[in-house]
Amino acid sequence: GAGVSQSPSNKVTEKGKDVELRCDPISGHTALYWYRQSLGQGLEFLIYFQGNSAPDKSGLPSDRFSAERTGGSVSTLTIQRTQQEDSAVYLCASSLTYSNQPQHFGDGTRLSIL
Amino acid sequence: QQQVKQSPQSLIVQKGGIPIINCAYENTAFDYFPWYQQFPGKGPALLIAIRPDVSEKKEGRFTISFNKSAKQFSLHIMDSQPGDSATYFCAATSTSGTYKYIFGTGTRLKVLA
Repeated sequence: GAGVSQSPSNKVTEKGKDVELRCDPISGHTALYWYRQSLGQGLEFLIYFQGNSAPDKSGLPSDRFSAERTGGSVSTLTIQRTQQEDSAVYLCASSLTYSNQPQHFGDGTRLSIL
Repeated sequence: QQQVKQSPQSLIVQKGGIPIINCAYENTAFDYFPWYQQFPGKGPALLIAIRPDVSEKKEGRFTISFNKSAKQFSLHIMDSQPGDSATYFCAATSTSGTYKYIFGTGTRLKVLA
């Protein structure tokens, strides 16, 4: 009964480097969400997947951010040319379907940009 | 119309007290209202959720009160314990139209021993 798994749990990198964050959703969950949480702040929606397609990318902060999902399962969030303001915890959640279903969160990747 | 306003931002209560966290929404299409609990270093976890066909839902020491006409809902924690110290987020979403959760800004609760 694995939950949502995210890796790495922590990532420290230099400004300007690219990073990839991975999310393994709960098996059978068709919907997958990425959020960003700055220290002591709320949840900022980034992108949502239904299956392998992303109907809503409106939350991505800039074109340096991209995400993909393959096989209706694993998703990766990529941040290119990282900036210090990208430092945050990146949370992934999945749900059985979209809409009014409980979202199950991973413990996030804490990203620090030096 | 897409906002969910949560208050207070932080709350300190004595052990055994009943902290109350309030949320207000604007979009009448919202029909699912979950509450999430988040401990430091962990992702949010679903605590309890309510749909607008009932005015109250209890699960253990946690109760959601829902006022459809006022477009408000609140979380009550009965007999609060130090282990309840966490950040609590309310959220809202709708069955049709938007699939996104709209989260409140969070309430940091501290229960003193």
